[in-house]
Amino acid sequence: DVKVTQSSRYLVKRTGEKVFLECVQDMDHENMFWYRQDPGLGLRLIYFSYDVKMKEKGDIPEGYSVSREKKERFSLILESASTNQTSMYLCANRGRGTDTQYFGPGTRLTVL
Amino acid sequence: DQQVKQNSPSLSVQEGRISILNCDYTNSMFDYFLWYKKYPAEGPTFLISISSIKDKNEDGRFTVFLNKSAKHLSLHIVPSQPGDSAVYFCAASAPDSWGKLQFGAGTQVVVTP
Repeated sequence: DVKVTQSSRYLVKRTGEKVFLECVQDMDHENMFWYRQDPGLGLRLIYFSYDVKMKEKGDIPEGYSVSREKKERFSLILESASTNQTSMYLCANRGRGTDTQYFGPGTRLTVL
Repeated sequence: DQQVKQNSPSLSVQEGRISILNCDYTNSMFDYFLWYKKYPAEGPTFLISISSIKDKNEDGRFTVFLNKSAKHLSLHIVPSQPGDSAVYFCAASAPDSWGKLQFGAGTQVVVTP
């Protein structure tokens, strides 16, 4: 079974703080993704990475950056958190030879 | 512009009956479709998928139907069980897109005893 873990389940930060969300996979998959989920909007892609040190913007990259220094680890960074970044953040990876993605448990981030 | 639409935000169904969830898409390049199930405070769980070369895929109580000409897919759950109460997301991908998925807004299913 593919396992995707996220560093925190719940996080509370203040406006303007720098926030790091970490995602680790236990398989040797190239593609990893960061989404946010908001009610009525579904899952929206923030950034994805198709290999180490490679990254591509998704549909809503503004206010976010990412880092992929090792194949198993994909980090999402909020340089200066704002209240509109309060959301559920979900990391996923893509199985080899398929477009099926497997998700971590999510991080519920609240920015006050 | 949302390319995958789930027009029913919620669905209530009695235990033992059939649940039918609908999904429409606009991008004719999509060739792979998936359904995910999500409980509160958890990540989505992959449920079932279908390739555009098929029109039906079945896995236990779950069946996905694809109508390419109408750009429409549906998920049937028979029989519905209380544990099926969750949010269901429809997703789609196109070839040569690094496996990026476009998701619908989700349908909240409530199965009542």
